[in-house]
Order: sequence, then C-alpha cells, then structure tokens
Amino acid sequence: DGGITQSPKYLFRKEGQNVTLSCEQNLNHDAMYWYRQDPGQGLRLIYYSQIVNDFQKGDIAEGYSVSREKKESFPLTVTSAQKNPTAFYLCASSITATGGYTFGSGTRLTVV
Amino acid sequence: DAKTTQPNSMESNEEEPVHLPCNHSTISGTDYIHWYRQLPSQGPEYVIHGLTSNVNNRMASLAIAEDRKSSTLILHRATLRDAAVYYCILRAYNAGNMLTFGGGTRLMVKP
Repeated sequence: DGGITQSPKYLFRKEGQNVTLSCEQNLNHDAMYWYRQDPGQGLRLIYYSQIVNDFQKGDIAEGYSVSREKKESFPLTVTSAQKNPTAFYLCASSITATGGYTFGSGTRLTVV
Repeated sequence: DAKTTQPNSMESNEEEPVHLPCNHSTISGTDYIHWYRQLPSQGPEYVIHGLTSNVNNRMASLAIAEDRKSSTLILHRATLRDAAVYYCILRAYNAGNMLTFGGGTRLMVKP
C-alpha cells in the first residue's frame, strides 16, 4: 500500500545533540513538507520541497535543516540551534497541483 | 495568505448530522478550500476539498457559499470515531501549494 512512513515514532535526545527524523513516501508525489505541532496548537510549516534537490524555508525554519536527494525521501535534521525542539513532527507529501496532502503518523521528539 | 475562521469547539450527538462552519472572507479566485481532520497523536487526514461547487465523498460533503466567503463541512451521521480537530484551510494554487493550518474546530461527539 502507498503511504508515508515516519520513523521513529518516539525519539529522545539530550540537549545539544543533532537528531535526524526520517520521512519516506512511495506515492510518487513530487512535493514533500515538514510541519511542527506543539500541544494544543495547529501545524506550522518548517520546510518544503517541490522537486528533488530543491527545498524552501517555511515559517519556522531556524534551527532545522533538510535534504531532498531522492524523490522518496525528505529527512529533517533538528540541530542544536533549535531552542525548543521538543514537539510532534509531521511529514506530508502531495502531487504538485490541487489535490490533498497525505500525512505520516508523526515523530514525537523529546529533548531532555 | 487568505485566512480562515472556525469555532474553537463544537458538540454533536452520535448518529446526528454535524455542520462545521468556516469563514474565509478574503479568499481569492484560485484558492481551493481543503478540510483535514486530526485525531490525537496522529497526523492529519485529508477529508475533502473543493473550489466552487459542492462536493461529496465517502467521508463528508462540502457546501461552498455562492460568494465563496464561507463553507460548511457536513458529516451526515456523526460517530464516536469522528471526534477530532477539523481544519479548514485555503490552498493557493500558485503559491507552492502549501497548506497553512489554523487552530481548527475540536468536535466532540456524545454517545
């Protein structure tokens, strides 16, 4: 079945360490996105990519980095520069037209 | 970006219809109206989208006002599994196709 896989589901890291969240899709979608969600809040866009080897900053890109070397994969690195990294991270993909997004099940990152 | 306004929360009884409103008075001609819902600790799930005409699918119906300044998501028979946060979002056709999420409406369904 086609879909988006985010791993791991839960992640714990010590403060000051970089951590990379995985996002893989087999939907053949061109566009991929990373969102962050804090408790009781809506989603905020971190980065997005509409095509391989190209990506753009979203509303809250500071302290994060991404790469898009393959169409299927869009990993997100939370760097030590991100001041409040503890959050629920969601990856999504879409055909670059007017269709809906498909979301992964999310990674809950806790930095201690 | 054009914004949407939704009530913070709504309640419904099980097996009754639910009408979730959304105002988007600054919508532009190329904005599509999208609805997503999110259950606790899960990623959002696409529900439905439309441009001008009313739309139906297996999950819900979308009624769009003639002036497109408002829309209503209709769940025909609410079940306990429909309890979620529902997001109404405008998706600009030519702006990178990004979705900008607001606060959404928390729907509570009573048995």
